[in-house]
Amino acid sequence: AQSVSQHNHHVILSEAASLELGCNYSYGGTVNLFWYVQYPGQHLQLLLKYFSGDPLVKGIKGFEAEFIKSKFSFNLRKPSVQWSDTAEYFCAVNADTDKLIFGTGTRLQVFP
Amino acid sequence: NAGVTQTPKFRVLKTGQSMTLLCAQDMNHEYMYWYRQDPGMGLRLIHYSVGEGTTAKGEVPDGYNVSRLKKQNFLLGLESAAPSQTSVYFCASSLRTSGSPSTGELFFGEGSRLTVL
Repeated sequence: AQSVSQHNHHVILSEAASLELGCNYSYGGTVNLFWYVQYPGQHLQLLLKYFSGDPLVKGIKGFEAEFIKSKFSFNLRKPSVQWSDTAEYFCAVNADTDKLIFGTGTRLQVFP
Repeated sequence: NAGVTQTPKFRVLKTGQSMTLLCAQDMNHEYMYWYRQDPGMGLRLIHYSVGEGTTAKGEVPDGYNVSRLKKQNFLLGLESAAPSQTSVYFCASSLRTSGSPSTGELFFGEGSRLTVL
């Protein structure tokens, strides 16, 4: 069965710090990969996605993620975080099924 | 442009009561999903549907039933609510993408907060 692991449960950063959130999945075949963001009190919104092609994917608000097939990873990065990036971040995987499986989420707090 | 709409937004139930959550989407999406979100557990798939008249079980289907009588609506029912079903419920929809894998981007509703006493 597919599974998604997000090892960072809670990350606290100061503004301008760099961010990297880990995401690993378990499936050996073709995958679609997603990062969603949930701002406080809101629903989930798509941050970026990978279907095929360039493994370095650019998303909204300066976020990017790199698909490394050999490591089964899709880590999210941002060079310089802002207070407004405070949110919960979810990695998700779809692999040859009709279902999207989510990780447990990483709560990011950014302090001014 | 409403997207995905969930009703009700909030509900408090007593143990044993029944209720139905309604999800409606106006994007003509084939796929619809019900997730529950609990602290520290992320989003877990309850049931989903790949088209009108079809439903399938997700990761945590017990205690829930669903129906998709119309393409734009996906109902989630609790026949006998339990405190363990206290959660925030999210509906989502997506287009079917060609080829494989089959699921594209999910569009989420605002969520429905359910408390079972």
